[in-house]
Parts: sequence; structure tokens; C-alpha cells
Amino acid sequence: DQQVKQNSPSLSVQEGRISILNCDYTNSMFDYFLWYKKYPAEGPTFLISISSIKDKNEDGRFTVFLNKSAKHLSLHIVPSQPGDSAVYFCAASAPAGGTSYGKLTFGQGTILTVHP
Amino acid sequence: DAGVTQSPTHLIKTRGQQVTLRCSPKSGHDTVSWYQQALGQGPQFIFQYYEEEERQRGNFPDRFSGHQFPNYSSELNVNALLLGDSALYLCASSPGYGYGYTFGSGTRLTVV
Repeated sequence: DQQVKQNSPSLSVQEGRISILNCDYTNSMFDYFLWYKKYPAEGPTFLISISSIKDKNEDGRFTVFLNKSAKHLSLHIVPSQPGDSAVYFCAASAPAGGTSYGKLTFGQGTILTVHP
Repeated sequence: DAGVTQSPTHLIKTRGQQVTLRCSPKSGHDTVSWYQQALGQGPQFIFQYYEEEERQRGNFPDRFSGHQFPNYSSELNVNALLLGDSALYLCASSPGYGYGYTFGSGTRLTVV
């Protein structure tokens, strides 16, 4: 049962353009969402997160949007840079008191390639 | 400031053998979680340790066990290795409850 899905295995964009990575979830108990970036031979690195009480969170070039009714979130990177080329994972967690608190459920990842 | 340290970085084992992977959490972190990442997949939660006890467990068989020591470091043990256990094993530490997870670079386990 894949509770967090990233349906695009890969995405290719030109440097300077916008990259949009998408993620869907099925568990309505999830209330906190995170994006991680992973380079080969390294562990995932935290990028940005959003709580379910918000619909948008920005940090520099990175913005995460959350649509709770659609159970959908997206990560926008503007402008995209070649150094952004990596695998991006979305992850979700449930609130305290639930059995999933503290446990992250990850999507399968999207390989982003930014061409110079 | 050292982040999360995992050892070894690579390991090759034979089916049926047992393996122990080690993790030292980031300074100031007292909670350790372990994840398995198969090729082409996202990390899957194995279990989480806090105050030397297993606090949560994912959908993994009892062949997977762990331990946390008083200095917060942790071990992941896998018995009776199967070919399907070949994966990248990631350790993540955090400051108690919360989402400030820091991941290590992982241990690449190959079972032949």
C-alpha cells in the first residue's frame, strides 16, 4: 500500500526555468510533509517542509504548496540550477498520538535533471 | 559538527549470514531511526529507538532487530540474510519528537 506517491520518475528542465515536482498521498492522517534531496552516495538532505495548517511555505528558491482536499503537494524550484540535479523525495508523517508519529513515509522519488 | 555517521559504508554478505550496521547520531540528537532503501524506491521505515527502547516499528520481519546504547548510538542487526535484503540502509537522528531528521550517508549491503 503506497501511501505517498510520486508518479513522475524523472523530470528534465533548462537552467533558469521552473521545476515542479509533484506528490500525492492517501492517508488523511498525515499532517506534516517534507521534501528531501538526495545526491548519489549521500544520505537524503532536508529541503523544506509544510504543516497541514498551511497551504504554502517558501524558502529562497524553494516553495512547497499543499492542497489538502486533493491530497496533493508540489515543490517548485525557481530558478532551477544545474546543482539542483538530484533525486527528490517527498515524505509525510502523522501527528502525535498516532502510531505513525515520528515515522516518515516516503514516495519513490523523482530524478530531476537541470540542463545548462 | 559531525553529522550522522554510519559504518561500514559498503558490505557484502552471503545468504543466511548475519550482519550488524552501526550509527552514531548527530550531536544533541537522542532519537535514531533506521530506513531501508531498495534500488529505485524511497526509504522505508524499519524502526525507531528512543531512550534505548524501540518506540515504533515498520513492516519488517523479526529478522531485523536493533539496539540503542546509552550514548544514543545504535545498531541494526539482520539475521538469516536474504537476497532481497540487499539495499542501502539509512540511519536518521533527531532531537526527540519532532522532524529535525538528519540522515547519514548509509551502508550499502549486498547479499550474494
